[in-house]
Amino acid sequence: GAGVSQSPSNKVTEKGKDVELRCDPISGHTALYWYRQRLGQGLEFLIYFQGNSAPDKSGLPSDRFSAERTGESVSTLTIQRTQQEDSAVYLCASSITGGYTDTQYFGPGTRLTVL
Amino acid sequence: ELKVEQNPLFLSMQEGKNYTIYCNYSTTSDRLYWYRQDPGKSLESLFVLLSNGAVKQEGRLMASLDTKARLSTLHITAAVHDLSATYFCAVDRIGSQGNLIFGKGTKLSVKP
Repeated sequence: GAGVSQSPSNKVTEKGKDVELRCDPISGHTALYWYRQRLGQGLEFLIYFQGNSAPDKSGLPSDRFSAERTGESVSTLTIQRTQQEDSAVYLCASSITGGYTDTQYFGPGTRLTVL
Repeated sequence: ELKVEQNPLFLSMQEGKNYTIYCNYSTTSDRLYWYRQDPGKSLESLFVLLSNGAVKQEGRLMASLDTKARLSTLHITAAVHDLSATYFCAVDRIGSQGNLIFGKGTKLSVKP
């Protein structure tokens, strides 16, 4: 079946602009996660959704970052007034329930470059 | 704060050799994950280790977990070129709902 998809695959933007990244999780997966991967680094957790609610936003680096999820499906991560340090690959993952033993399945990521 | 440390960060090995990647984490956790990432690709789940003493094997890779030592190992047996990739370990915080803390990754290069 279809995996996690993300769009766009690449985004180049100018400093100060807003960007919106999209994630389509695996159909039926109630849990959705956003991570950020800086060049040569591991992944940093940003936010977790259970259904349309975000019980854990602890990883969002600043108030310029926000995310929402609708219909227990698609999620968008919005970065306002982008800065060069926002340049990274943004990865989305989903799991069946977000439960204790669930495997997270990752999308291909969106590579964001802020000039 | 939960920290996850992997070593080595870079590993160059010849085909046919064995090696082990180590993953240490700083606070109590019962769940440890290993992922593989090929260049320009996303992460592929390899193993989920859920209890002390857990051992899982898939092909030339074997992962183990010692929760008392807060250590997981990923052992590579008779490496082949196709195993070249970056390998990440990740840990759940106790009580969290799945947000994973990742190590920096081990970039493995297997040379003929």
